[in-house]
Amino acid sequence: GPKVLQIPSHQIIDMGQMVTLNCDPVSNHLYFYWYKQILGQQMEFLVNFYNGKVMEKSKLFKDQFSVERPDGSYFTLKIQPTALEDSAVYFCASSFWGGSAETLYFGSGTRLTVL
Amino acid sequence: QQQVRQSPQSLTVWEGETAILNCSYEDSTFNYFPWYQQFPGEGPALLISISSVSDKKEDGRFTIFFNKREKKLSLHITDSQPGDSATYFCAASANSGTYQRFGTGTKLQVVP
Repeated sequence: GPKVLQIPSHQIIDMGQMVTLNCDPVSNHLYFYWYKQILGQQMEFLVNFYNGKVMEKSKLFKDQFSVERPDGSYFTLKIQPTALEDSAVYFCASSFWGGSAETLYFGSGTRLTVL
Repeated sequence: QQQVRQSPQSLTVWEGETAILNCSYEDSTFNYFPWYQQFPGEGPALLISISSVSDKKEDGRFTIFFNKREKKLSLHITDSQPGDSATYFCAASANSGTYQRFGTGTKLQVVP
């Protein structure tokens, strides 16, 4: 099936540093999402993105977070500066159509550890 | 505020038994309910979904039962197999929304 690639799979950084998580979505998909998962359980929506713009973001999407997809390349999540509570697994997802009834295709996640 | 809840948090069944995973929601505007299956080290993958116009959806060994009045769903996995061992997420969304809200997840273990 369609594949979403996330790079890197693991990232360890010191608190206060900047980190960029990269996502290579399914090639013809137009809508992109970031979710945050803690302790292998709760999947929390962070943000979605279409046509170069954020469509909607949750309260978890703090001011230190930003997303972009320059020139159709990677869809990135940047955290600057990082905090201890940002430690989690971040999942990127994409879909062809927008709207809430679309099938989301998820990557394997990036495990972020903030020390 | 947790808008989508799942129970139990974890479930162990014997191979061949039927596993029943429960989900409930609060927002009456939710009308689409996908279930995702997640294996360790992987992202969630769509397993089966139902819209609010139906009360049952079946796909092989997997069946969703939906009770709109009580705002409850359940996923039944018949003839459970060890390969079904995974975490299952119920999600919900509304026509007016732009994203799916995930539940708290149920970790299923199927013992041979």
